Amino acid sequence: NAGVTQTPKFRVLKTGQSMTLLCAQDMNHEYMYWYRQDPGMGLRLIHYSVGEGTTAKGEVPDGYNVSRLKKQNFLLGLESAAPSQTSVYFCASSYQGANQPQHFGDGTRLSIL
Amino acid sequence: DAKTTQPPSMDCAEGRAANLPCNHSTISGNEYVYWYRQIHSQGPQYIIHGLKNNETNEMASLIITEDRKSSTLILPHATLRDTAVYYCIVRVRGATNKLIFGTGTLLAVQP
Repeated sequence: NAGVTQTPKFRVLKTGQSMTLLCAQDMNHEYMYWYRQDPGMGLRLIHYSVGEGTTAKGEVPDGYNVSRLKKQNFLLGLESAAPSQTSVYFCASSYQGANQPQHFGDGTRLSIL
Repeated sequence: DAKTTQPPSMDCAEGRAANLPCNHSTISGNEYVYWYRQIHSQGPQYIIHGLKNNETNEMASLIITEDRKSSTLILPHATLRDTAVYYCIVRVRGATNKLIFGTGTLLAVQP
């Protein structure tokens, strides 16, 4: 039981390049989330999904797109990377229903030059 | 959404209890208090949550005041591995379980 797995763990991009971050969970969770964390700050919610085929915007969605084609996977895309998107990205998942705790992956460290 | 206030940092001696305070004076009646922690370079880890009764699990205890305007997370016997940033979060209303993270408290457990 791996929990929440994020791929890749590290990546360096040039401005304008595109890439996709993958989040996979094996806990059969309905809900999945993408956060970013910048130095000295707490996590901020980018997008989330309450089920396969559904996504919604969080606090800081601009510049990102997401897809949830399969229940176990939640993809975060950067179409044209910008230096302001240099951050650590965390994925999380939880069961459906009120007050279910979120389980987090170990993050993807993304640098955009 | 209720906002939380935590001290930016605290120290605790190894083996002693660590008591981490959190103020949430605007909390609504049906909003839960959650605690997560983040050890350096790792993803946040769920610790405990509660509504109005005190809660205890294998990791910690949560004490919520009767008026629900503040709470305290207690680590009964802190170890060096408990050094982390601790986040007190009031869960956003609705069915999506979204969390709004603040900047948390950096707990440094000293040998």
